[in-house]
Amino acid sequence: AQSVTQPDIHITVSEGASLELRCNYSYGATPYLFWYVQSPGQGLQLLLKYFSGDTLVQGIKGFEAEFKRSQSSFNLRKPSVHWSDAAEYFCAVAGGGAQKLVFGQGTRLTINP
Amino acid sequence: DADVTQTPRNRITKTGKRIMLECSQTKGHDRMYWYRQDPGLGLRLIYYSFDVKDINKGEISDGYSVSRQAQAKFSLSLESAIPNQTALYFCATSDWLNTEAFFGQGTRLTVV
Repeated sequence: AQSVTQPDIHITVSEGASLELRCNYSYGATPYLFWYVQSPGQGLQLLLKYFSGDTLVQGIKGFEAEFKRSQSSFNLRKPSVHWSDAAEYFCAVAGGGAQKLVFGQGTRLTINP
Repeated sequence: DADVTQTPRNRITKTGKRIMLECSQTKGHDRMYWYRQDPGLGLRLIYYSFDVKDINKGEISDGYSVSRQAQAKFSLSLESAIPNQTALYFCATSDWLNTEAFFGQGTRLTVV
């Protein structure tokens, strides 16, 4: 069965600094990988996804993520964070066919002014 | 209108009561999910359904049941609510290829 680990429960960065959120997955075949963001009091919004092809994927709000099969990772990055990026971020994995969508524990991002 | 609608948005109930959380979607998707969110634990899968006749347990199904009344409707029931079921509950839907999941706004349930 697939699983996702987000090693960092809480990260604090300064506004304008770069950001990297880590995600490691376990899945027997080529996974479908996702990053979702949850703003306070809101539902989840898709930031980006990877199915195949170019291992560097671009998403909304200036985010990108890189799929590294050798490391079973799908880390999320942003060159310069804004105060509005403060939220909780979830990595998720799924497969096609009969596979379900499984989420990691989430990383809460705090932005210092 | 939202793609995925959950009702109620907030609910306080007493221990031992039966409660139903409802979810409807307008995406036309076959797959629907119920997740529970607790601080530090992320979203944990309670039940999922790949079509009207298909219901599957997730990792934390004990104490919960579901009903897929139609392609667009997927309800979650707590037969006898207990305080540790206090959480934020999300319904989601996705297409057959899992290309993207669409989430409701969540139901905040408090069991006292």
